[in-house]
Parts: sequence; structure tokens; C-alpha cells
Amino acid sequence: GAVVSQHPSRVICKSGTSVKIECRSLDFQATTMFWYRQFPKQSLMLMATSNEGSKATYEQGVEKDKFLINHASLTLSTLTVTSAHPEDSSFYICSAPLAGVTSTDTQYFGPGTRLTVL
Amino acid sequence: AQSVTQPDIHITVSEGASLELRCNYSYGATPYLFWYVQSPGQGLQLLLKYFSGDTLVQGIKGFEAEFKRSQSSFNLRKPSVHWSDAAEYFCAVGADSSYKLIFGSGTRLLVRP
Repeated sequence: GAVVSQHPSRVICKSGTSVKIECRSLDFQATTMFWYRQFPKQSLMLMATSNEGSKATYEQGVEKDKFLINHASLTLSTLTVTSAHPEDSSFYICSAPLAGVTSTDTQYFGPGTRLTVL
Repeated sequence: AQSVTQPDIHITVSEGASLELRCNYSYGATPYLFWYVQSPGQGLQLLLKYFSGDTLVQGIKGFEAEFKRSQSSFNLRKPSVHWSDAAEYFCAVGADSSYKLIFGSGTRLLVRP
């Protein structure tokens, strides 16, 4: 099946620094990718939709200047947490549907990135 | 607004016993319904899905789920649980063809030897 990778798998940073998380579709192209955030023992919350070649679409309540998304190519989307604070500590997960497919069942998830802000 | 409720935070069953994980959704039309499993270090894996048609759907790893419109439920079942089934299970609803998924809070399954 299709594979989505994330890098890094785990990152610890100091408060005030910025952290970049990469999401790659390894064997397929994805014009759209999704970024989710998962708090401990809680569900995945959709943060934004990353669109190749255009601006990301953010969900209500998500600060676009805080969480910068760049979909540089058909296989790579990056999420940059700017000026990170301890409350940004979370598990960030990306997903990518197969390009050109309209049904919602062909979405592949990355393994997630654990961000800890000290 | 769409929502998904998984009332059980965690469930413990003995290996070989049957399993049912509950999921209730709130959505005006017929939703797309999914069950995913999340294991440590692994991405979410799709177990099964319901779009339309037969309300009893079969998935991978011996799982099945039944869509009951009258109860707004989509419960996941397995007749005999294996130790490798221990993981976090998420029910999700897809509201339209934009791929956006709304997840329930998850149910952690523990399997006793």
C-alpha cells in the first residue's frame, strides 16, 4: 500500500524556537495533504489542509501565522511551528489521499511527530 | 455540526474473547464512516469503511462493523481477539468528498493473555 513518512519522529526544542516537520508521500503524488494534532489520550483534530501550489486552508481556531504550511511539491508538505511554546507540545500527524481519487477511503497517514517544547 | 463519540476510553478483554467497540455519530445526511487503528510508532491504518449499501461491512484483520441509521451508530466487532489487536481504535466520519475526517476520541484496547 501507499506510504507516508514524517520527519522527525520526535523533536524536543526550547521555547521560542521554530520547528519544521516534514510529511512525504513516498510512492504516490498528493496534491492535498492534511495536518492533524493529537493531544495525549485525545482524538485527532484537523488543523489544516495543505494544497500543492496554493495556500493552505486552516480550520477555525488554528493560527496560520503560528503553524506555517508549505506544500512545495507533489510529495512534500511541511509544517513549521513558529515561536513554539510548551502548549504547542503535541503529536502532529499528516495524511495524504491518493491524487485524483474522489472517494474518502484512500487516505494514508504518517506515523506522527512528537513535539515537546521545554 | 458533525461529531463522533466513542463512549469507552479503554476496554480490556481476554485473548480469544469477542469485542465490540462503540461509535456514535452526529451528521445530517448519510455519512462516510471509518474505523482506524493506531499502534505505537505506526500511522493510522484503515480497518474498514462504510459509504452505502450493505450495512454490515467487513474489514481487515477479521473486524466487521454495522451501520445502524436509527441509532446513529457504527460499532466495531471482532469475534475472537488476538493479543496483537491491542492498540488505539478511532472511529471517524467523513462529511463530504473533501477528505476531511472528524475523529472520535478513541478507545484503547487492552488484551489479557
